[in-house]
Amino acid sequence: GDSVTQMEGPVTLSEEAFLTINCTYTATGYPSLFWYVQYPGEGLQLLLKATKADDKGSNKGFEATYRKETTSFHLEKGSVQVSDSAVYFCALSDPGGGSQGNLIFGKGTKLSVKP
Amino acid sequence: DAGVIQSPRHEVTEMGQEVTLRCKPISGHDYLFWYRQTMMRGLELLIYFNNNVPIDDSGMPEDRFSAKMPNASFSTLKIQPSEPRDSAVYFCASTLITGELFFGEGSRLTVL
Repeated sequence: GDSVTQMEGPVTLSEEAFLTINCTYTATGYPSLFWYVQYPGEGLQLLLKATKADDKGSNKGFEATYRKETTSFHLEKGSVQVSDSAVYFCALSDPGGGSQGNLIFGKGTKLSVKP
Repeated sequence: DAGVIQSPRHEVTEMGQEVTLRCKPISGHDYLFWYRQTMMRGLELLIYFNNNVPIDDSGMPEDRFSAKMPNASFSTLKIQPSEPRDSAVYFCASTLITGELFFGEGSRLTVL
């Protein structure tokens, strides 16, 4: 079945460092891809998304490009801040399911940014 | 606009007691999801509804768990009887058919 694999954390970086969180997926169709972020004590919220191959999603300095040839959607940010400390989830839509709203999530990657 | 509203935010109960978690989705959203999050298992989809009808409940762990959506603005997740292994954060989320889920802040359940 469809699945999402994320790099395991935790990831610890110094402020202003470059961030990459790897995400690869397996899907039989043409899913949309998402990154969600969960700050401590809160629910998940959408960070960015891409709906087709070669699309780049971006938000708050984060970017991810939908790479169909490598089935990847890696999250990047050029200069992280302490406020970016959170858990990041990669997700794909379920193209074969009856719901266009259902998502398949990765296990999450915890990011800690030190001042 | 109000987001997804969940209650209670925190619940501590004793093993064997009934627990009811509540969710009010964003007005106009067609889909409602219940997730469970634990350190060991991560984020698990329990059940989801479309237009108040349960579509997939294959993630519900066992018969002790039940969920209802009597109308478009309210859903409940009930655990009866509760067990310590049910301790988790339970999230409700809603969406239109866009794939972008809007999550509530979660209900943290502790079963002693």
